[in-house]
Amino acid sequence: ILNVEQSPQSLHVQEGDSTNFTCSFPSSNFYALHWYRWETAKSPEALFVMTLNGDEKKKGRISATLNTKEGYSYLYIKGSQPEDSATYLCASYNYQLIWGAGTKLIIKP
Amino acid sequence: DVKVTQSSRYLVKRTGEKVFLECVQDMDHENMFWYRQDPGLGLRLIYFSYDVKMKEKGDIPEGYSVSREKKERFSLILESASTNQTSMYLCASSFGQGASYGYTFGSGTRLTVV
Repeated sequence: ILNVEQSPQSLHVQEGDSTNFTCSFPSSNFYALHWYRWETAKSPEALFVMTLNGDEKKKGRISATLNTKEGYSYLYIKGSQPEDSATYLCASYNYQLIWGAGTKLIIKP
Repeated sequence: DVKVTQSSRYLVKRTGEKVFLECVQDMDHENMFWYRQDPGLGLRLIYFSYDVKMKEKGDIPEGYSVSREKKERFSLILESASTNQTSMYLCASSFGQGASYGYTFGSGTRLTVV
């Protein structure tokens, strides 16, 4: 079984500050890396699916990078807003999605 | 525009009861999945299905079964609920098999077994 690790486990960020967190995954037999945002009382929502080394994706103030050779992905949030408060999940695909435990982001007004 | 619907948001059941968790998707997706989420752990796959009447065990199938009689509906069954099955259960669907297909999730069912 693959291990997908996310750090930090939780993060408090002042509104307006930028932040980033990490997803680590086994670099061998890599197929794809998924990022999801899970707000309280809502469904997890797909943010990005990344497949190529060096890939960089952006959605509004959120962006992600991928390094498949060393097995990590960063998620960046620029100018954090209260609505960014959520748990961010990453998952590495190896015939099924293998999920990290998530990074819980709390934005302080 | 709800796309994956789970029948209950909260559920409390007694030990030994047979429990049915229902999931319906309206996107004509082939693939459906049941996960459980526990504090400090990643989502763990219980069962999945790539087609009607087809089912495959995930990583933690013990104590569970599933049913997929129609393409849009995937049911998770706890044959005899136990307290260690207290958890958040998430249903998901995807259009195709393979690495690049994103999943659409329901909003989850928080099950408490007492």
